[in-house]
Amino acid sequence: GAGVSQTPSNKVTEKGKYVELRCDPISGHTALYWYRQSLGQGPEFLIYFQGTGAADDSGLPNDRFFAVRPEGSVSTLKIQRTERGDSAVYLCASSSSPFSGYTFGSGTRLTVV
Amino acid sequence: GQQLNQSPQSMFIQEGEDVSMNCTSSSIFNTWLWYKQDPGEGPVLLIALYKAGELTSNGRLTAQFGITRKDSFLNISASIPSDVGIYFCAGSNTGNQFYFGTGTSLTVIP
Repeated sequence: GAGVSQTPSNKVTEKGKYVELRCDPISGHTALYWYRQSLGQGPEFLIYFQGTGAADDSGLPNDRFFAVRPEGSVSTLKIQRTERGDSAVYLCASSSSPFSGYTFGSGTRLTVV
Repeated sequence: GQQLNQSPQSMFIQEGEDVSMNCTSSSIFNTWLWYKQDPGEGPVLLIALYKAGELTSNGRLTAQFGITRKDSFLNISASIPSDVGIYFCAGSNTGNQFYFGTGTSLTVIP
């Protein structure tokens, strides 16, 4: 596609539930990134994929968070047993090469009530 | 994690004025990026810097990679209403994990 597409744009879930957030990167971009942005803050790195594999998952806050990219294109960020502190905007980005900067999607606003 | 501090935190300026903002880090980086974010949208890349001392322009925007490699600066000349938004700096040494600053919120008064 022309840009990075994220669905849903908004998600409200109850504490303790499981959620999946989807990212469709720019066609041909092999690198895909997930960031989390809390209100009034800059984005914080979660995980980076090169192709199908997670090259760096050092930003995932705990084992409730997991992400996959099975075919090297679309990625899904999965959050188990959601907590109110997980409420944030989850941003996905893709790039064609390191250091060139990312193209971000519009994000998924997750609210845990 | 790395801490990037941006100043000022917010700015209110008259249309046509020039704007300066900066970003400082506790660590050195070999790449600096500047992004702009509008409400409800993801950040959009404005300028990328790859070499200490480098000065790069993109239209009315000019950014500099500080010679200490711990800071970067962004200037906007002759501001217009569509410059409104939050500006983020970001630094990296790997090219894949970027650390973002706290943001500078810019308001342009027509």
